[in-house]
Amino acid sequence: AQKVTQAQTEISVVEKEDVTLDCVYETRDTTYYLFWYKQPPSGELVFLIRRNSFDEQNEISGRYSWNFQKSTSSFNFTITASQVVDSAVYFCALSDPSNFGYALNFGKGTSLLVTP
Amino acid sequence: KAGVTQTPRYLIKTRGQQVTLSCSPISGHRSVSWYQQTPGQGLQFLFEYFSETQRNKGNFPGRFSGRQFSNSRSEMNVSTLELGDSALYLCASSRQYSGGQETQYFGPGTRLLVL
Repeated sequence: AQKVTQAQTEISVVEKEDVTLDCVYETRDTTYYLFWYKQPPSGELVFLIRRNSFDEQNEISGRYSWNFQKSTSSFNFTITASQVVDSAVYFCALSDPSNFGYALNFGKGTSLLVTP
Repeated sequence: KAGVTQTPRYLIKTRGQQVTLSCSPISGHRSVSWYQQTPGQGLQFLFEYFSETQRNKGNFPGRFSGRQFSNSRSEMNVSTLELGDSALYLCASSRQYSGGQETQYFGPGTRLLVL
């Protein structure tokens, strides 16, 4: 069963628009961790944020913000005033002890295209 | 601090051959994990090594193996290559002293093409 669902396969926006990438997860563990990674065309996965299950505080980092809601099992990612350099594939990942000892379980990714 | 490095970056092999990929973790990181990325299956966990021991293994056949050296560098080997092994192989390292979950930092990957 898929544990991380990123329902948006592709999103296209015009520069300076705000965009939200959705992530819904499933786990039976009470201790777990959520991550967002960015994968530009070069292929390397770039770490963006990590959240543990006991910390529901939202976070803002520059133009990036994350909304973690345990009640809806969601961990959404918003980019404010998008830029062309934000074009990439974004992955949400879940890490819990029932999955190969905390291995990352990735969603299918959302491909974001920001056009000028 | 230098990031995770992987060699080679690109590789072309033919069916039936074997291949060895190398990964050097971030200095001070003792855990190394390997992931396979394909268009069809996405990102899948292969295995994790910590202190030269395989600690966890994903659902891959025995043709996929790995090892870790005393300096935390890791290698993964795929024997009897199949067309379906064509993929981007990503290595990630983390501190991972005991239990819990440390953030995994990824290398640039090795792109393997099997003909």
